[in-house]
Amino acid sequence: KNQVEQSPQSLIILEGKNCTLQCNYTVSPFSNLRWYKQDTGRGPVSLTIMTFSENTKSNGRYTATLDADTKQSSLHITASQLSDSASYICVVSAVLRGSGGYNKLIFGAGTRLAVHP
Amino acid sequence: EAQVTQNPRYLITVTGKKLTVTCSQNMNHEYMSWYRQDPGLGLRQIYYSMNVEVTDKGDVPEGYKVSRKEKRNFPLILESPSPNQTSLYFCASGRYGWGSGHGGYTFGSGTRLTVV
Repeated sequence: KNQVEQSPQSLIILEGKNCTLQCNYTVSPFSNLRWYKQDTGRGPVSLTIMTFSENTKSNGRYTATLDADTKQSSLHITASQLSDSASYICVVSAVLRGSGGYNKLIFGAGTRLAVHP
Repeated sequence: EAQVTQNPRYLITVTGKKLTVTCSQNMNHEYMSWYRQDPGLGLRQIYYSMNVEVTDKGDVPEGYKVSRKEKRNFPLILESPSPNQTSLYFCASGRYGWGSGHGGYTFGSGTRLTVV
């Protein structure tokens, strides 16, 4: 069964500190992995997208890693800011065979991050 | 501005009273989809559409209907809402064939529905 599991469920850190969020998946056949940031009550916004051949990608203070062999990804946030308080969602795409390119997205439940001053 | 627009943002209704949540995108995307988000669960797909007049069920389609008469619009219809459909709903759109990962996938701001 295609699944995406994220840890921890929630995390509290102090402003300026770094943190790392984890994502493990059992999705096949794998197409790509995305990290989204979702502010409370708002729609998710894409942070990074990684395909099978990419093992790291950065977007400002956000750095995502991917190990396709172990089916693990992490999102590292450097020098956290109050505005980083949000839920971070790992989304893995599985290719639907015979669909002509359509990917099915499998969402993790998210990690809720709170950055305190 | 490229966006996905959902309306309404908030809705409280009573059991059994038909309602429609609208979704519109201005990016000429072929693909549109509806999700619901419940506490402790990831977003779950309700229905999706690969193009005009082409729709298919997602993982949790029971109790919902959709239509895709125009490329830009993808309304979600609850014919007879029940309390277990109380949730946060998101519409999303993207380019068809974005399996390579190069396509964008844009979400609306959400509709919080409460059925009493």
